[in-house]
Amino acid sequence: AQKITQTQPGMFVQEKEAVTLDCTYDTSDQSYGLFWYKQPSSGEMIFLIYQGSYDEQNATEGRYSLNFQKARKSANLVISASQLGDSAMYFCAMREGHQGAQKLVFGQGTRLTINP
Amino acid sequence: DTGVSQDPRHKITKRGQNVTFRCDPISEHNRLYWYRQTLGQGPEFLTYFQNEAQLEKSRLLSDRFSAERPKGSFSTLEIQRTEQGDSAMYLCASSFSIGNTEAFFGQGTRLTVV
Repeated sequence: AQKITQTQPGMFVQEKEAVTLDCTYDTSDQSYGLFWYKQPSSGEMIFLIYQGSYDEQNATEGRYSLNFQKARKSANLVISASQLGDSAMYFCAMREGHQGAQKLVFGQGTRLTINP
Repeated sequence: DTGVSQDPRHKITKRGQNVTFRCDPISEHNRLYWYRQTLGQGPEFLTYFQNEAQLEKSRLLSDRFSAERPKGSFSTLEIQRTEQGDSAMYLCASSFSIGNTEAFFGQGTRLTVV
């Protein structure tokens, strides 16, 4: 069974608009971590934001915020005021295994294109 | 540059040949991970090390694959008798072992088996 689901293969957004990338997950663990990574065409996976399952507040990092809805098992990424440089693949991931071990399970990704 | 470094960036090989990739993690990190990413998919976990100990291997890591981290610093991933299905991007990442810290990824090695 797929553990991370990203239902949007592609998104097209006008520059300066906000965008929400969807992510749902499946786990029976009480303790887990959720991550978002950005992968530009160069191939490197760039860490954006992290949310722990016990964190009561939604994580924020600059223009990135994570809309964490635990009961619905969703962890959507919100990018405010999008920029042309935000065009890339975006992956949602969940940490499996014991705390700290970054054995990540990734979704299939969403390709975000920012139009000028 | 003090990030994760992978070499080579690209490798084209003939089916049946052996290939070896190298990863140099961030020097303070004691955990090192290998992932494989095929076209249009997210990365898939292959294996990880804490210092020189290989703590976990995925079922994706067939007998033709072997990874080492002999001195707890750099790591190598070797694929023997390559097959066309091995064509993928091989990503290395490193992290601390304490706390919920993120993994930092290298730019990957793109392998093409012809």
